Amino acid sequence: GDSVTQMEGPVTLSEEAFLTINCTYTATGYPSLFWYVQYPGEGLQLLLKATKADDKGSNKGFEATYRKETTSFHLEKGSVQVSDSAVYFCALRGNSGNTPLVFGKGTRLSVIA
Amino acid sequence: NAGVTQTPKFQVLKTGQSMTLQCAQDMNHEYMSWYRQDPGMGLRLIHYSVGAGITDQGEVPNGYNVSRSTTEDFPLRLLSAAPSQTSVYFCASTIRGLGTGELFFGEGSRLTVL
Repeated sequence: GDSVTQMEGPVTLSEEAFLTINCTYTATGYPSLFWYVQYPGEGLQLLLKATKADDKGSNKGFEATYRKETTSFHLEKGSVQVSDSAVYFCALRGNSGNTPLVFGKGTRLSVIA
Repeated sequence: NAGVTQTPKFQVLKTGQSMTLQCAQDMNHEYMSWYRQDPGMGLRLIHYSVGAGITDQGEVPNGYNVSRSTTEDFPLRLLSAAPSQTSVYFCASTIRGLGTGELFFGEGSRLTVL
């Protein structure tokens, strides 16, 4: 079945450092890919998405490119802030009808001033 | 804007007790779902519904029941709570057919079973 593998955390960075969180997937066909973020004490919210190969999703300075050749959707940000401290989830949705989203296990990011 | 509302936010149960976690959304979303979040396990789908009167099992349905009598509400029932059901539960919804794939999440319900 479909699955998502994320790099394990926690990840601790200093403010203004470069961030990469790796995500690879296994799925048939052409799934849609997502990054969700969960701030402390809150539910998840969509950060960015890409629906076809070579698409780049971007939001709040974060970017991720859908790479079908490497089945990857790595999350990057050039300069992290303390307010980016959160848990980040990679997810995919298969390309048939009501297929539920499949989430990775999440990566906790802590940014220190 | 209420969005997805979950109640209660916190609950402590004893083994064998029953309870219902409530979920309501005011966005006229047809798709609703329940996830549980456990350390090191990420989010796992319990049950989901693509519309009123229709429910289906997710990855970890055992020990949980759901029903969908209205578009707005999707309660999750624990008939006989077990310590293994200690978790944080999230309800999420979106437009029919998962649309853009953007799920809208509630703030979560933290359940402890002693």
